[in-house]
This record gives sequence, C-alpha cells and structure tokens, in this order.
Amino acid sequence: GESVGLHLPTLSVQEGDNSIINCAYSNSASDYFIWYKQESGKGPQFIIDIRSNMDKRQGQRVTVLLNKTVKHLSLQIAATQPGDSAVYFCAEGTGNQFYFGTGTSLTVIP
Amino acid sequence: GAVVSQHPSWVICKSGTSVKIECRSLDFQATTMFWYRQFPKQSLMLMATSNEGSKATYEQGVEKDKFLINHASLTLSTLTVTSAHPEDSSFYICSARGLTNEKLFFGSGTQLSVL
Repeated sequence: GESVGLHLPTLSVQEGDNSIINCAYSNSASDYFIWYKQESGKGPQFIIDIRSNMDKRQGQRVTVLLNKTVKHLSLQIAATQPGDSAVYFCAEGTGNQFYFGTGTSLTVIP
Repeated sequence: GAVVSQHPSWVICKSGTSVKIECRSLDFQATTMFWYRQFPKQSLMLMATSNEGSKATYEQGVEKDKFLINHASLTLSTLTVTSAHPEDSSFYICSARGLTNEKLFFGSGTQLSVL
C-alpha cells in the first residue's frame, strides 16, 4: 500500500496546552484524509476528516490542516485533556482504499 | 455515529484450529468492509477489502486461503483465520463504510491468541 507516516512517535503535553500531531503522506492522488484515536485494546475512533479540496476543517476542540503542496496533514487539539491520551493515526483514502500511518502516542500530563 | 459490532473481542485457540470473527454494521448498510491487522504499538495494516456480494480484494502478501473473508450481506462480514498458528496471533479490526458516507466506522477489535 501507499506510505503514510507520522513524524513524531510520541508526544507529551501538559493538561490544558494545545497538541499538534503531524502526518506525512506519499500518494499525491489521495483525496480523503481521516484522523483516528485509538485507546489501548480498542478499535480506532473517528475524530475528524478532510477532503483534498479543503485546507482546514474544525471540529470540537480539534482542527485538521492539510497542505497538499508538501503532502502534510496535522491534527491540532485545543486545551488537551487527560482523556485525550491515546495513539493517533492519520489515514489517507483513494477510492476504496484506506491506509494508516504508524501512529503517535499522545500522553497528557495532569 | 454509526455503530460497528465486532465479535468476539478476545479468542484463545489451539494451533491448527480455525477462528471466525464477525463484523456487523448495526444501523447502516455497509457496502464495503475492511479488515485490518495490528501488532502491538504498530499501525493498522490493511489485509483486505470486501464489497457485499463479491470476492474480497486482498493486499499483497496476505494469503487469501489463510484469511477467508465473506461479505454475504450488507450488514455482515466475516474473517476466518484457517489453521491458525502462533504467528497469526494479533489484534484484528474491521471497519465498514456505507453508500452515502465516506467515513470509516470501526469495530472494537478482536485479540487472537494462538497457543
């Protein structure tokens, strides 16, 4: 499959601070991107998605930024809370294929 | 959001036995279902894509005779690990997508331990 990778494997942030998780993708034909959160022993949970015709999309406390020029995706979490501690994956989609990056483990320090 | 139910959540079996994992979309019709495998502290690896009523498309390196996928209805897909061996021990996750929704909804995963 295509290569989707994350820059930082681990990230620790203080509770209340903002978190930024980055992702690089390699398939310039990908037109749909998703961020997922996965807690230990559980399946991934959808956070937010963005199509390639957009640069930014906001959700509740989360913002996804897409830079197609450098094939880079980021997830921003505002006012990070202990419950945000998990592994975060980005995924790129082309048609009926979805491939995941390696994941970033986010730890929120109380 | 949409709900995908995966069962069982954990299975322990002897080497050589076959294990079936079910993935059900509870409140939507899943035209496409995906099966992933995940090792500890690693990402999800796509194994195969299945569309209702047709044969699954397997990713390179995934043995279709080893991992049998059936998607006979719009709400159910099954993955059967045939003649399981210890190296098949892993966390298996399904996801589903409906006709009108690009989003993927995931099951809770199945931890397979082969002794």
